[in-house]
Amino acid sequence: DGGITQSPKYLFRKEGQNVTLSCEQNLNHDAMYWYRQDPGQGLRLIYYSQIVNDFQKGDIAEGYSVSREKKESFPLTVTSAQKNPTAFYLCASQGGQGGDTQYFGPGTRLTVL
Amino acid sequence: GQNIDQPTEMTATEGAIVQINCTYQTSGFNGLFWYQQHAGEAPTFLSYNVLDGLEEKGRFSSFLSRSKGYSYLLLKELQMKDSASYLCAVTNNFNKFYFGSGTKLNVKP
Repeated sequence: DGGITQSPKYLFRKEGQNVTLSCEQNLNHDAMYWYRQDPGQGLRLIYYSQIVNDFQKGDIAEGYSVSREKKESFPLTVTSAQKNPTAFYLCASQGGQGGDTQYFGPGTRLTVL
Repeated sequence: GQNIDQPTEMTATEGAIVQINCTYQTSGFNGLFWYQQHAGEAPTFLSYNVLDGLEEKGRFSSFLSRSKGYSYLLLKELQMKDSASYLCAVTNNFNKFYFGSGTKLNVKP
């Protein structure tokens, strides 16, 4: 089945540790996105990538890093520089054409202890 | 910059009709999406408008007026399972998506 997966579903991290969230898609989509969602809030864009080996900062990139070495994969690293990392993280992919919807993974809920 | 506004919360009765509004200010407008998101889950696609007018899809319809920077999502024959958050998102010419804060809809029996 085609789709987009994220792992793990729940993640706990000690303060000061880096952690990497996985995002994989087999939809052959060019564009991939990372969002952060806080309780009762909308989605805020962290990073996005329109093509392999290229990515751009979103509105809240500080304290995060990404890579796009393969079309299928767009991992997000939450670094110790991110002051308030506890949140729900959503990865999405999109065909790359105007009018194409984004397809979302199931999300990773990160809690910093 | 981008600015997208939606009401925070709405309540409606099972079987009724509800309209969720979204106003936006954006440069390089390239379409508006509506998504449904149940608590703790990922958003799922509901509708897309790029031209003015109404798009109908079963119980859900979405309207767009580009000159007014305004859209609404209309839900008919409300069911309990429609209780969720509804997100309005605007895209630009660079394929970036800008999301509103979402409208939490409570459907009562």
